Amino acid sequence: QKEVEQDPGPLSVPEGAIVSLNCTYSNSAFQYFMWYRQYSRKGPELLMYTYSSGNKEDGRFTAQVDKSSKYISLFIRDSQPSDSATYLCAMTAGGTSYGKLTFGQGTILTVHP
Amino acid sequence: GAGVSQSPRYKVAKRGQDVALRCDPISGHVSLFWYQQALGQGPEFLTYFQNEAQLDKSGLPSDRFFAERPEGSVSTLKIQRTQQEDSAVYLCASSFGDRYNQPQHFGDGTRLSIL
Repeated sequence: QKEVEQDPGPLSVPEGAIVSLNCTYSNSAFQYFMWYRQYSRKGPELLMYTYSSGNKEDGRFTAQVDKSSKYISLFIRDSQPSDSATYLCAMTAGGTSYGKLTFGQGTILTVHP
Repeated sequence: GAGVSQSPRYKVAKRGQDVALRCDPISGHVSLFWYQQALGQGPEFLTYFQNEAQLDKSGLPSDRFFAERPEGSVSTLKIQRTQQEDSAVYLCASSFGDRYNQPQHFGDGTRLSIL
């Protein structure tokens, strides 16, 4: 079983919908959690970076972390066609770690007009 | 440019050939990572450099894979005697510091196809 599980989708929603993306993980050493967006034939682009349990909001994006359940989420409000991409969750340990990332499989999202 | 640059963007090689993939990190970035991304999967860690020192190569799949960063800036990932299972996108990322709380900036990758 992988350390990080992410439903690959694909997920298709109409423009303006609220999108919910999720990952679960098994390694309790993970302390820092990220969401990356990856367009086709491009590298991952960092969207959100969170540490503690709770919510972090940035524009239309909200990241949620529940360490007790080992579950993280990304919500996208008022989704746009330009949000169509693959969304990757990633996480890393803290302490003396230099930041090696462990990624989920990625969820393919399509927002149609 | 100001971002991480990788070359070539696409590489086709015959099984058994050696290939070399180049990464130019963001200037001044201490940390450099290589990841391998198979089709439909998330990136998987290969190796980590802090300046010129290779501190972690635990993700390299076999001894056919070799990486270097001799002057602490540009890095090269070399794959010897390529196999079909080496076909993937190879991503390079760099970060400013040497700790977990520094965001990693990714290049657009080299798409390697082994025939």
